[in-house]
Amino acid sequence: GENVEQHPSTLSVQEGDSAVIKCTYSDSASNYFPWYKQELGKRPQLIIDIRSNVGEKKDQRIAVTLNKTAKHFSLHITETQPEDSAVYFCAAPNAGNMLTFGGGTRLMVKP
Amino acid sequence: DADVTQTPRNRITKTGKRIMLECSQTKGHDRMYWYRQDPGLGLRLIYYSFDVKDINKGEISDGYSVSRQAQAKFSLSLESAIPNQTALYFCATSDTRDNYEQYFGPGTRLTVT
Repeated sequence: GENVEQHPSTLSVQEGDSAVIKCTYSDSASNYFPWYKQELGKRPQLIIDIRSNVGEKKDQRIAVTLNKTAKHFSLHITETQPEDSAVYFCAAPNAGNMLTFGGGTRLMVKP
Repeated sequence: DADVTQTPRNRITKTGKRIMLECSQTKGHDRMYWYRQDPGLGLRLIYYSFDVKDINKGEISDGYSVSRQAQAKFSLSLESAIPNQTALYFCATSDTRDNYEQYFGPGTRLTVT
């Protein structure tokens, strides 16, 4: 089955700096890679996703890059703000067409 | 996302009690999931259902059971609750036709004393 590993588990940055979270996956057939954000005490919500036919996707301050050869994808947040503080999860689909989630990254943005 | 609701939102129960967590959705999705989240940890899949007649175990199904009463309803039961089942439980839905995006409910915080 799919194995998704996410690093780092915690990340602390100064407000205004960039943050990068990386995930690797094992199933070379995977073709959809979402990122979810979970604020404290709330539900995970999709913030951006990418399909395997593109290498990068941007949405304002967030971007996701995909390297299918190396089987890894990354979330990039630029000009971080305190409201970016949350837990971020990556995911990849397995053979059963379900998502396997990474272990999560706790991002702390210090004012 | 108000389209996926969970009841109760918080529950405190005693060891050995039977408890049911309920999930309802108005999104018309065919797939529903139950996840467990422990503090500082990620999402672990308990059970999932691809349609009303389909129930599948996830990675941590021991001690849990589920019922898919209708396309819109998916319940999780703890037959005899134990303290290490204290966790945050999320229901989620997805549509087979729409990527793999999952929509999560607000969560149920369960404490077993």
